[in-house]
Amino acid sequence: GAVVSQHPSWVICKSGTSVKIECRSLDFQATTMFWYRQFPKQSLMLMATSNEGSKATYEQGVEKDKFLINHASLTLSTLTVTSAHPEDSSFYICSAEYMGQGNEKLFFGSGTQLSVL
Amino acid sequence: DQQVKQNSPSLSVQEGRISILNCDYTNSMFDYFLWYKKYPAEGPTFLISISSIKDKNEDGRFTVFLNKSAKHLSLHIVPSQPGDSAVYFCAASAGNYGQNFVFGPGTRLSVLP
Repeated sequence: GAVVSQHPSWVICKSGTSVKIECRSLDFQATTMFWYRQFPKQSLMLMATSNEGSKATYEQGVEKDKFLINHASLTLSTLTVTSAHPEDSSFYICSAEYMGQGNEKLFFGSGTQLSVL
Repeated sequence: DQQVKQNSPSLSVQEGRISILNCDYTNSMFDYFLWYKKYPAEGPTFLISISSIKDKNEDGRFTVFLNKSAKHLSLHIVPSQPGDSAVYFCAASAGNYGQNFVFGPGTRLSVLP
């Protein structure tokens, strides 16, 4: 199946710094990618929809100035957590929409565990 | 208001027996459903899908059943194996893919040896 690479898998940063997470579709082009957040023992919560060449669409309650999303190419979307604080510590996951053949239409990255000290 | 519900947060099953994970939805516009499996600190991996034109889809040990009138789907794993221990999410979509996928809260399956 198609592959989505997410990097880094783990990051620890100081409060007030910014962290960039990359999401790449390795063998297909993804016009649309998605960013999720998961707190322990909770479901995946969609944060935003990233569209190549246009502004991201944020879900209600997600601060777009804090979670900057850039989808500059058909294979790369980035999420930047700006001025991170301990409450931003979470597991962030991206996915890419696959428009080809087959039943699997959404491929996920392996996730990024962010810990803000 | 949760559109996709998985009312059992956890489930324990003996190895070799059947695991049944349930999912209910409220939006009658949903017409495509998927099950994902997730290990801790990893991204979800796709298991199986079903569209509303079917009531059953089978792939190896995994079978998904869809009851549209009851707005209910279930994932059957048989026989269950210890490696199946993970959190299982069902997700539903209406028409377009991706942005319309709504995830349930997940069910943690533990398969006991």
